[in-house]
Amino acid sequence: AQSVTQPDIHITVSEGASLELRCNYSYGATPYLFWYVQSPGQGLQLLLKYFSGDTLVQGIKGFEAEFKRSQSSFNLRKPSVHWSDAAEYFCAVAGMEYGNKLVFGAGTILRVKS
Amino acid sequence: DTGVSQNPRHKITKRGQNVTFRCDPISEHNRLYWYRQTLGQGPEFLTYFQNEAQLEKSRLLSDRFSAERPKGSFSTLEIQRTEQGDSAMYLCASSSPQGWRTTGNEQFFGPGTRLTVL
Repeated sequence: AQSVTQPDIHITVSEGASLELRCNYSYGATPYLFWYVQSPGQGLQLLLKYFSGDTLVQGIKGFEAEFKRSQSSFNLRKPSVHWSDAAEYFCAVAGMEYGNKLVFGAGTILRVKS
Repeated sequence: DTGVSQNPRHKITKRGQNVTFRCDPISEHNRLYWYRQTLGQGPEFLTYFQNEAQLEKSRLLSDRFSAERPKGSFSTLEIQRTEQGDSAMYLCASSSPQGWRTTGNEQFFGPGTRLTVL
């Protein structure tokens, strides 16, 4: 079975500081990996995805993530956080062998202090 | 491209009533998904349509839940005899027919319908 673990429920960073949100997955084959962001009361917006090619992927809003097969990880990073980045972030995994659904982690709530 | 839309955005109902939600996917997308999200959790898959065919259903989708996509365009999700445990955000997503190898089956989400059962 596939699953996603986001170890940090909440993270607080100062504006301008760097950010890393952790994501570990369990999946037998090469996974398709996604990071989504959700603002309060809103739907999910895709930040970036990995499904082939370069293991370091660039996304919107200055985010990047690195797929590390040996560690089963897909951590999200941003070099300098802005107050508008405060939101909840979800890592998700998918794969053809397990149907068409996305399997999400429980999310990490990011707070930005000024 | 107007994105995925969902109606209503909020629904408050009394226990035992029936409710119906609507999702309009991105127009050229043939794949449509329903997810449920409860407080403090990530979205959980409910069901998937390819065109008008419902191809996957989660065990979360009890017999009180039914989803349709009659003409392969919009979809409806009905919950009969609602229970307080049904209170959640119901999210709809769609993806293009280009498939896994081209897009990784990237799913685009709507704003959700928040259901509160009193």
